[in-house]
Amino acid sequence: GQQLNQSPQSMFIQEGEDVSMNCTSSSIFNTWLWYKQDPGEGPVLLIALYKAGELTSNGRLTAQFGITRKDSFLNISASIPSDVGIYFCAGHGSSNTGKLIFGQGTTLQVKP
Amino acid sequence: ETGVTQTPRHLVMGMTNKKSLKCEQHLGHNAMYWYKQSAKKPLELMFVYNFKEQTENNSVPSRFSPECPNSSHLFLHLHTLQPEDSALYLCASSHQLAGGPNEQFFGPGTRLTVL
Repeated sequence: GQQLNQSPQSMFIQEGEDVSMNCTSSSIFNTWLWYKQDPGEGPVLLIALYKAGELTSNGRLTAQFGITRKDSFLNISASIPSDVGIYFCAGHGSSNTGKLIFGQGTTLQVKP
Repeated sequence: ETGVTQTPRHLVMGMTNKKSLKCEQHLGHNAMYWYKQSAKKPLELMFVYNFKEQTENNSVPSRFSPECPNSSHLFLHLHTLQPEDSALYLCASSHQLAGGPNEQFFGPGTRLTVL
């Protein structure tokens, strides 16, 4: 079945640094979603991407839908302590069943 | 209430107990989902309901029994669970199952511990 590879698995950065994480798939995806999960809470949708090449920002967050439709990245600029959490990519494949395929997550820690 | 709510937030149960998890969405969505999230593992889809009809059972053991009385409410009935069933159980909802944008919105989860 379709799978997503998300990297890196974890990051430990200094406050103020920029962060980049990405997801790749072996098959084409029609939608890419990026979520953030705080400890003990459910994932919260950050950005949704629907077209190849689409670049979307949400505050300090920027995400892009890869032109090949097989990858997406999320950038966080000028990180702050509250950016700490687990970031998940997710996507809908070509089967159009509505099922979301999730990446394994990137754990971000920010040192003040 | 707004968004997706789940109760209880925490549950501790013995292996012989019967309990239920409840999820309610206030977003006017038609599809609802149960996911299991264990430590160090990706989110695992358990069940999908679309317009109250179950459309997906992802090989989930029968000790987990879902119920969807209407498009706004989803239950997960638990009985004779095993310690390895301890996890965060997440409910999500979306506008539709397929055929268009399908952003899923998650509840806060129920942290389940089976003793």
